Amino acid sequence: EIVLTQSPATLSLSPGERATLSCRASQSVSDYLAWYQQKPGQAPRLLIYDASNRATGIPARISGSGSGTDFTLTISSLEPEDFAVYYCQQRSNWPRTFGQGTKLEIK
Amino acid sequence: QVQLVQSGAAVKKPGASVKVSCKASGYNFISFGINWLRQAPGQGLEWMGWISAYNGNVNYAQKFQGRVSMTTDPSTSTVYMDLRSLRSDDTAIYYCARDFRMAAAGDWFAPWGQGTLVTVSS
Repeated sequence: EIVLTQSPATLSLSPGERATLSCRASQSVSDYLAWYQQKPGQAPRLLIYDASNRATGIPARISGSGSGTDFTLTISSLEPEDFAVYYCQQRSNWPRTFGQGTKLEIK
Repeated sequence: QVQLVQSGAAVKKPGASVKVSCKASGYNFISFGINWLRQAPGQGLEWMGWISAYNGNVNYAQKFQGRVSMTTDPSTSTVYMDLRSLRSDDTAIYYCARDFRMAAAGDWFAPWGQGTLVTVSS
């Protein structure tokens, strides 16, 4: 199965700063990668699919890039509602797998 | 709007079974597959399997083969996940999530149900 490794595990930033989250796959997943946001007590929400496409309603300050094995989620200027846990996920192979998550916390 | 509503929390003893339901509304039920995922307390997300709402075809994660069954009832737009021989490490929130795009098996997961807490304890 494809292993996704996210870094860092925790990212401490202030509102207005730029956040860069990474996801590395154990083998190429082409562009079959998504990012999800999860807030406490809520189900995850799809943010980015096919590596770089924003889901409906996702603001333009959130963007995804990468292909093959290395991917990045960027939040250009953090808003208070952006502090949450972020997961990457691949659909290149069965079983579908997730990274272990990056917690984005307020500094 | 598209919505997935799951059944309520359950407490089970080790060795028992649990059946979680996921009722869909707001779209053509048979046009999209449904995935089941789980999240242990304080842990990450784990995909358990996928079912076609159209014909009931399934794809289970090997970890759960032989212990999980997913079924669909198009007459009520409901999908079920049955997990048997429960252990304490099966304690988790179980989510259903629709395939993001039509006719794309195991596609991205959106939207999600609200989650069902299953607690396994003697």
